[in-house]
Amino acid sequence: QVQLVESGGGVVQYGRSLRLSCGASGFTFSSHAMHWVRQAPGKGLEWVAVISNDGINKNYADSVKGRFTISRDNSKNTLYLQMNSLRLEDTAVYYCARLPGLIWFGLSIDYWGQGTLVSVS
Amino acid sequence: DIQMTQSPSSLSASVGDRVTITCRASQGISNYLAWFQQKPGKAPKSLIYAASSLQSGVPSKFSGSGSGTHFTLTISSLQPEDFATYYCQQYNAYPLTFGGGTKVEIK
Repeated sequence: QVQLVESGGGVVQYGRSLRLSCGASGFTFSSHAMHWVRQAPGKGLEWVAVISNDGINKNYADSVKGRFTISRDNSKNTLYLQMNSLRLEDTAVYYCARLPGLIWFGLSIDYWGQGTLVSVS
Repeated sequence: DIQMTQSPSSLSASVGDRVTITCRASQGISNYLAWFQQKPGKAPKSLIYAASSLQSGVPSKFSGSGSGTHFTLTISSLQPEDFATYYCQQYNAYPLTFGGGTKVEIK
């Protein structure tokens, strides 16, 4: 079955960097676009970034543009989120999520990972 | 950016009740609307895409409708496992945006 497992979260100081990973299994990872979505403590869901199946096309929320980079390694079935210049407001649970096809627009998320918590102090 | 407004923000209902949640978009999004369910401490679960299509494995007590700017999620007969927070999301345009959520609580 489809599995998405995030890792790399933790406590990090303001202004520092952190890289999140999302390991995928149970499906052909290279055939699916992927998202990162986050949720601050007690708050709603906020979309962060998307990447096409081949890693060429990317899009970011304004709140993270220029600081976060989404990438993927299809040979390792892994999605990444490099987070630089972290701010207090980046504190959240970060979820990776799958789109059901190649394209990164016009499709809705079908599967979510369990999330990894990032705390910026 | 497209703003998504959900109402109510919370509701109390009894087991067996029919529940309807509304989601409005600030501009037309055709049927590019999804619904997600989230239980405390858990990841969201995808329920509905394209406004009215059920994701695989989602029971038929959940239904969605709407197009353009006005959408609804209906739970036909509320069961204990349905008490959760529900979010709508538009995927018509980037940035993707979510509604603020509707918390469904036990009366």
